[in-house]
Amino acid sequence: QKEVEQNSGPLSVPEGAIASLNCTYSDRVSQSFFWYRQYSGKSPELIMSIYSNGDKEDGRFTAQLNKASQYVSLLIRDSQPSDSATYLCAVGGWAGNKLTFGGGTRVLVKP
Amino acid sequence: DAGITQSPRHKVTETGTPVTLRCHQTENHRYMYWYRQDPGHGLRLIHYSYGVKDTDKGEVSDGYSVSRSKTEDFLLTLESATSSQTSVYFCAIRGTSGRAGEQYFGPGTRLTVT
Repeated sequence: QKEVEQNSGPLSVPEGAIASLNCTYSDRVSQSFFWYRQYSGKSPELIMSIYSNGDKEDGRFTAQLNKASQYVSLLIRDSQPSDSATYLCAVGGWAGNKLTFGGGTRVLVKP
Repeated sequence: DAGITQSPRHKVTETGTPVTLRCHQTENHRYMYWYRQDPGHGLRLIHYSYGVKDTDKGEVSDGYSVSRSKTEDFLLTLESATSSQTSVYFCAIRGTSGRAGEQYFGPGTRLTVT
């Protein structure tokens, strides 16, 4: 069974600091990787996608992928209280038709 | 929200009754998905569809059935609801950006089975 693992947190981060979230996955043939943000009581919102090894930056977010080590990470720079949410890691297989989600990491940004 | 609506948004029902949840999309997406989300389990795939009348099971399909008679609607049915099916149910579509796998979620349905 394909597994995606995340530390459930909470990850407590001072405002303005960098939040670092990690995700590991078990299926070596995984080809697509996503980070979703979910506010309490809301639906998941796609914030980053990454398909190749290395870093991908989008605003204050940076996704990092290392397929050899089977992990993907998300950095949130200059963390804001509005970044307080649960962040879900999702991994897609070769065909890209299905995603497997991790349990999510709860992030708390303290003013 | 990628043009996805779910109905009802909240429902309370009794054990043993049938329940149907509806997902409606307006952008002609081929792939549609039903997930449930429970504390400690994250999002788990129930069923998905890759076209009209084309569906397949996910990891937690027992006790659920689906139907897709037209592109825009994907229905999830609990034939005889149980308390273990109390959950938040999300519908999703697969985006058409050209890169594999991006999914976008509807607002969710909170179902309580008493």
